[in-house]
Amino acid sequence: KQEVTQIPAALSVPEGENLVLNCSFTDSAIYNLQWFRQDPGKGLTSLLLIQSSQREQTSGRLNASLDKSSGRSTLYIAASQPGDSATYLCARLKGGSEKLVFGKGTKLTVNP
Amino acid sequence: EPEVTQTPSHQVTQMGQEVILRCVPISNHLYFYWYRQILGQKVEFLVSFYNNEISEKSEIFDDQFSVERPDGSNFTLKIRSTKLEDSAMYFCASLRDFLIDTQYFGPGTRLTVL
Repeated sequence: KQEVTQIPAALSVPEGENLVLNCSFTDSAIYNLQWFRQDPGKGLTSLLLIQSSQREQTSGRLNASLDKSSGRSTLYIAASQPGDSATYLCARLKGGSEKLVFGKGTKLTVNP
Repeated sequence: EPEVTQTPSHQVTQMGQEVILRCVPISNHLYFYWYRQILGQKVEFLVSFYNNEISEKSEIFDDQFSVERPDGSNFTLKIRSTKLEDSAMYFCASLRDFLIDTQYFGPGTRLTVL
């Protein structure tokens, strides 16, 4: 079964802390791995996309890495801010398929 | 910045009724998707649509579901006879270039089946 797992399910940190969110997937034949942000009652906002040939992508305070051999991706958030509070979802796209398979997400709370 | 829009934001219906959820994808995008998220659960793929036909569908997408791009701008999801378990947030997404782009998601339609 094509599973994507995210740990932890929830994380609460003080403002300013650096943090890492984890994502693991069972099928290494991925096409790309994507990280999204979901605010309560809202849609999904794309944060970073890592192609299977890449090891990492960076955007501002966010850095995502991909290790296909171990089936893992991490999202690193530097100097967290209260505005970063949201649920972070990872999703993988498998070669030969158009569907994104999502993890359940990590709910992040950054406390002022 | 262009965005995917969805209407209505919230739809309440009685079990057995038909509903149509509407989406306007980003104008130069070629690939279109519907996903759903039952409260507290993962976002799940329903269907993808390219070149005016379904290109992939999940096991969830049975004969009760259909999609259409009636006029070159709208993309609709129809549920013919709603069930209680169809209550969920339904997201539309669109994509320009399958090889390099991410899917852009709309804000969702919350469907409540009573």
